Amino acid sequence: SAVISQKPSRDICQRGTSLTIQCQVDSQVTMMFWYRQQPGQSLTLIATANQGSEATYESGFVIDKFPISRPNLTFSTLTVSNMSPEDSSIYLCSVLVLGDEQYFGPGTRLTVT
Amino acid sequence: AQKVTQAQTEISVVEKEDVTLDCVYETRDTTYYLFWYKQPPSGELVFLIRRNSFDEQNEISGRYSWNFQKSTSSFNFTITASQVVDSAVYFCALVLGSDSWGKFQFGAGTQVVVTP
Repeated sequence: SAVISQKPSRDICQRGTSLTIQCQVDSQVTMMFWYRQQPGQSLTLIATANQGSEATYESGFVIDKFPISRPNLTFSTLTVSNMSPEDSSIYLCSVLVLGDEQYFGPGTRLTVT
Repeated sequence: AQKVTQAQTEISVVEKEDVTLDCVYETRDTTYYLFWYKQPPSGELVFLIRRNSFDEQNEISGRYSWNFQKSTSSFNFTITASQVVDSAVYFCALVLGSDSWGKFQFGAGTQVVVTP
């Protein structure tokens, strides 16, 4: 199993600023992902966080807007840059562990004013 | 391309009624995994079940049961004798067992409202 923590749990930010969200896992994982859930919507995959190399982004998401780092096997950050109200969402970290079990973090609730 | 459809946006029931949530998926892959997650108002995702494409056996876990039918590409979820604590958004999701392993394709979700 894996226990995932995310920081911050929630934040209110002003438009034009940036926020970095941290994802920490209590065990080494094979893969890490970032998802976005806009208000009242489903979850959408933003990118796969690759250790030691650039993240792999899904269609519609770009590195300049959502830079991602993964310096080691248990930690990743997602930055939401130059925020606008449309970025108000829950951002979730997800990990895949050995045995192909997948876990989701508790999420970060972001409100942009 | 793969797709998950949850046609029911919201279902309202009175406590103790049964409720069935529909999920229809599309994929050309022969190896894939289907999931159901519960998202209560607090926002966290609660894992309910995972099924692989080679196991069509239905499953029952307490008040929850799942009906997987490859012939109709459906993976429906039934809550028996619903309770107020079942009120949540329920998501069906698909993961391909190839290079896309770990990447979920979620349905739009179904809001279940259980009233006393």
